[in-house]
Amino acid sequence: SQKIEQNSEALNIQEGKTATLTCNYTNYSPAYLQWYRQDPGRGPVFLLLIRENEKEKRKERLKVTFDTTLKQSLFHITASQPADSATYLCAISSGSARQLTFGSGTQLTVLP
Amino acid sequence: EAGVAQSPRYKIIEKRQSVAFWCNPISGHATLYWYQQILGQGPKLLIQFQNNGVVDDSQLPKDRFSAERLKGVDSTLKIQPAKLEDSAVYLCASSLTTVGDSYEQYFGPGTRLTVT
Repeated sequence: SQKIEQNSEALNIQEGKTATLTCNYTNYSPAYLQWYRQDPGRGPVFLLLIRENEKEKRKERLKVTFDTTLKQSLFHITASQPADSATYLCAISSGSARQLTFGSGTQLTVLP
Repeated sequence: EAGVAQSPRYKIIEKRQSVAFWCNPISGHATLYWYQQILGQGPKLLIQFQNNGVVDDSQLPKDRFSAERLKGVDSTLKIQPAKLEDSAVYLCASSLTTVGDSYEQYFGPGTRLTVT
């Protein structure tokens, strides 16, 4: 069956360190993979999109990698700040209509 | 640029009652989505519209849920009759899409539904 797994429900790191979040998938052939941030009581906010033929994408302190052989994406936040504390969702885009299927998210807490 | 608008923000109903949610997408966005997000889970796609046509409704419980997008702009999602397990946040999103490509989705704040 198809599955999207994000590492540990919660991740705590110290301010200034690099946070690394993992997204593994099985039985998908994604054309794209997207990462979103969700704060309590709010809708998800788009962060980055990476295509199947791209290995890495960067945006300011954010970096995403995509390994279609390992069926894994890694999401990095460098020089993390308490304001980065949120739930991060990965989503696979597949199918003819490019529907998004979301993982359950990783709750990140950056400690001051 | 105005974001995706949803109303109401909160709704409490008893089981077997009906409820409707409204969504106004970002101007010019052809694709509109309704998601259900249960506490502790990621959003689950219920229905996807391209303009006023349905692209995917494979996960919509059609015996009780219905959605429409008249004139290709606003959309309503209805539940009738509601069950306890329908308690969730209902998110509306929109995006600029053309067939065969994928763009970021812009989400509204959601409607938190509690069924008692």
